[in-house]
Amino acid sequence: QVQLVESGGGVVRPGGSLTLACEASGFTFSANAMHWVRQPPGKGLEWVTFISDIGDRKYSADSVRGRFTISRDNSMNTLYMQMNSLRTEDTAVYYCARDRIDSWALDHWGHGTLVTVSS
Amino acid sequence: QSALTQPASVSGSPGQSVTISCTGTRSDIGIYNHVSWYQQHPGKAPKLLIFEVSHRPSGVSNRFSASKSGYTASLTISGLQTEDEADYYCKSFTTSKTWVFGGGTTLTVL
Repeated sequence: QVQLVESGGGVVRPGGSLTLACEASGFTFSANAMHWVRQPPGKGLEWVTFISDIGDRKYSADSVRGRFTISRDNSMNTLYMQMNSLRTEDTAVYYCARDRIDSWALDHWGHGTLVTVSS
Repeated sequence: QSALTQPASVSGSPGQSVTISCTGTRSDIGIYNHVSWYQQHPGKAPKLLIFEVSHRPSGVSNRFSASKSGYTASLTISGLQTEDEADYYCKSFTTSKTWVFGGGTTLTVL
């Protein structure tokens, strides 16, 4: 069965950096595009960033463009997100999600990892 | 990119039907059929309910149906059950090559 397991969350000071990872299993990782989606405590979902199946296309939300970088290692079945210049408003649960082929829908989600940006 | 507009809350009694609207613009819902809907129970990850405006993934109950007209997409839940009580989000691809979620709608089953 499809599994996505995020790791790397924690507490970081404003201006700091953090790298999240999402280990995938149960499907051919290199066949699917992937996304990161976040959810601040008590608030709604916000799409963050996208990477195509082979990593040649990347798109990001205005709120994180230039600060967050998505990448993937298909040989390791792992998705990453490097987060720099973190702000208090980046505090959220971060989910990785699989893109359903040919539909731009997110058909499998991880359990999420909490990132807290606080001084 | 502004969030798609959803009502903050809707409610219904068991067995009834409810509809949740999701209004966008000419840059997202108005131009693309890449509209999807998600259900999220408290403390859980979201679950895909609908993709490409009106298609259900295997395993999703046929009590969930959806459509789109103009700039507005709609999700209808028929035969309400207590386990349907959750938050619901719409999402669309945009002309900026980004995705945008709705603000979310809390469904209460009375």
